[in-house]
Amino acid sequence: EPEVTQTPSHQVTQMGQEVILRCVPISNHLYFYWYRQILGQKVEFLVSFYNNEISEKSEIFDDQFSVERPDGSNFTLKIRSTKLEDSAMYFCASSVDIISPLHFGNGTRLTVT
Amino acid sequence: DQQVKQNSPSLSVQEGRISILNCDYTNSMFDYFLWYKKYPAEGPTFLISISSIKDKNEDGRFTVFLNKSAKHLSLHIVPSQPGDSAVYFCAASAQAPGGTSYGKLTFGQGTILTVHP
Repeated sequence: EPEVTQTPSHQVTQMGQEVILRCVPISNHLYFYWYRQILGQKVEFLVSFYNNEISEKSEIFDDQFSVERPDGSNFTLKIRSTKLEDSAMYFCASSVDIISPLHFGNGTRLTVT
Repeated sequence: DQQVKQNSPSLSVQEGRISILNCDYTNSMFDYFLWYKKYPAEGPTFLISISSIKDKNEDGRFTVFLNKSAKHLSLHIVPSQPGDSAVYFCAASAQAPGGTSYGKLTFGQGTILTVHP
């Protein structure tokens, strides 16, 4: 079964550094998402992306965050200047259309020191 | 954010019996509900969904019930198997402005299900 793949599985970075988390969504999917889960907290929505633009974003997704689909297969999340509180598991997801369930990747654990 | 709540942090069930996981929501704009299962070190895996025009949806051993007036949904697993042991998340969404997607999911905090052989 096709799956969403995320790299790296674990990223350690120093506060203030830029990080890019990478995702390859399922190939025929058109909607792309980033979610995150801080340890001990709920999975929370960050951003949705469709037709090469952000369709919706949460209050968490401030100017430090950006997303990009640089080519036909990758979908990236960039955090410009990481803070300690950005430490979390970041999940990429995709869906084939507007109503279909989201398929999630296995996540990237980001640790900011 | 308490819009979606799973009040039972854990549930323990004997193999072969029914598992019932519950979820409550407060936002009356939610009209699409999903259950996801999550194993450690993996992402959430979609199990079953239901839209607000229905009150029941069934897929094999999994049935989701929706009570809109009570703003409550439940997931029934019958019969439960040891491989069902995982964290179960309830999630809800409402169509985004402009009708672009149902992809903004609001998750509950999860219920750890343990099925004993």
